[in-house]
Amino acid sequence: AQSVTQPDIHITVSEGASLELRCNYSYGATPYLFWYVQSPGQGLQLLLKYFSGDTLVQGIKGFEAEFKRSQSSFNLRKPSVHWSDAAEYFCAVGAGTGGFKTIFGAGTRLFVKA
Amino acid sequence: DAGITQSPRHKVTETGTPVTLRCHQTENHRYMYWYRQDPGHGLRLIHYSYGVKDTDKGEVSDGYSVSRSKTEDFLLTLESATSSQTSVYFCAISDRERGGELFFGEGSRLTVL
Repeated sequence: AQSVTQPDIHITVSEGASLELRCNYSYGATPYLFWYVQSPGQGLQLLLKYFSGDTLVQGIKGFEAEFKRSQSSFNLRKPSVHWSDAAEYFCAVGAGTGGFKTIFGAGTRLFVKA
Repeated sequence: DAGITQSPRHKVTETGTPVTLRCHQTENHRYMYWYRQDPGHGLRLIHYSYGVKDTDKGEVSDGYSVSRSKTEDFLLTLESATSSQTSVYFCAISDRERGGELFFGEGSRLTVL
């Protein structure tokens, strides 16, 4: 079974600073990897996803993530954070040969200070 | 936006009563999921379905049952609600062939007193 760990419960960055949110997964093979964002009081929106190919994937809103097989990691990055990026971010892993299921990490809440 | 409707959106009930949450989709997607979201736990998978009458357990299935008698509807039932089941419940759908991206409903907030 797959699992996901997001080591940081919350992170505070200054507006304009760079951001990196950490994600580690556990699965026997290369799974499907996702980052979702949830703004306050909102549903979840997909930021980006990785299945195969180039290990650096680009997403919406200027986010990118890098898959590192050797570290079982899929960290999310953004070079310059905007105040509107304040939200909760979830890393997720999808796998399964019969029933495909997606398991989420506990989330990292991002605070942006002016 | 994906056509996903959850009902009811808000419900307050008492311990021991049965509760059914409904998820309805208009996308004809094969996969449907029920998650619960709680502070500090993120989203946890309760049950999921990979076709009509095909369902399986997720991470936190105890106390919950599901049914899917047609493609568009996925019901989550709490046979006897407990306070620990107070949560926000999200339905999600996915088409496995397009990479498993999840599309979420707006959530159902359940309070068990």
